[in-house]
Amino acid sequence: GAVVSQHPSWVICKSGTSVKIECRSLDFQATTMFWYRQFPKQSLMLMATSNEGSKATYEQGVEKDKFLINHASLTLSTLTVTSAHPEDSSFYICSARDSSRGRTMNTEAFFGQGTRLTVV
Amino acid sequence: AQKVTQAQTEISVVEKEDVTLDCVYETRDTTYYLFWYKQPPSGELVFLIRRNSFDEQNEISGRYSWNFQKSTSSFNFTITASQVVDSAVYFCALSEDAGGTSYGKLTFGQGTILTVHP
Repeated sequence: GAVVSQHPSWVICKSGTSVKIECRSLDFQATTMFWYRQFPKQSLMLMATSNEGSKATYEQGVEKDKFLINHASLTLSTLTVTSAHPEDSSFYICSARDSSRGRTMNTEAFFGQGTRLTVV
Repeated sequence: AQKVTQAQTEISVVEKEDVTLDCVYETRDTTYYLFWYKQPPSGELVFLIRRNSFDEQNEISGRYSWNFQKSTSSFNFTITASQVVDSAVYFCALSEDAGGTSYGKLTFGQGTILTVHP
């Protein structure tokens, strides 16, 4: 299946600093990528939809100024957690949809390995 | 709005027992897709199955089987002869056929923690 690479796998940062997480589709182009957040022992919640060449679409309650998303190419989306605080500590995982597949086949997105962020 | 409910928060079984994980969904779309994912302690999501709303055939893959009942909006997952390696969190998810950029956007259930004891 298609491969999505997410980097880094884990990161520890100090409160107040910014952290950038990358999501790359390795063997396909993705005009759309999705960013999810998962707090410990909870489900995955969609944060935003990343659109290549245009602004991201954020879900209700997600601060767009805090979670900056950039999707400058067809294979890369980045999520930057700005001015991180301990409550931002979470597991962040991205998924990417293969843009080349037709409507009836384009029914799933492929997930990266996830990034565990700890803010101290 | 779509919703996925996994009523079982945690299930504990002994190895070789069969176990069924329940999933109930809500959607207004007539075309939609249902998924099951396994999340081991390492965190990555392991894709198990995708089923579209027009295909109600049950599916079997090794020790795994899925029962899709549109009449009850359920998509249950059964592991036969469970093994310790099956211990993980299992998520049921739904994707609506909303068109455009919504393709691939998933709504997840709360997850079921499965522990298989030796």
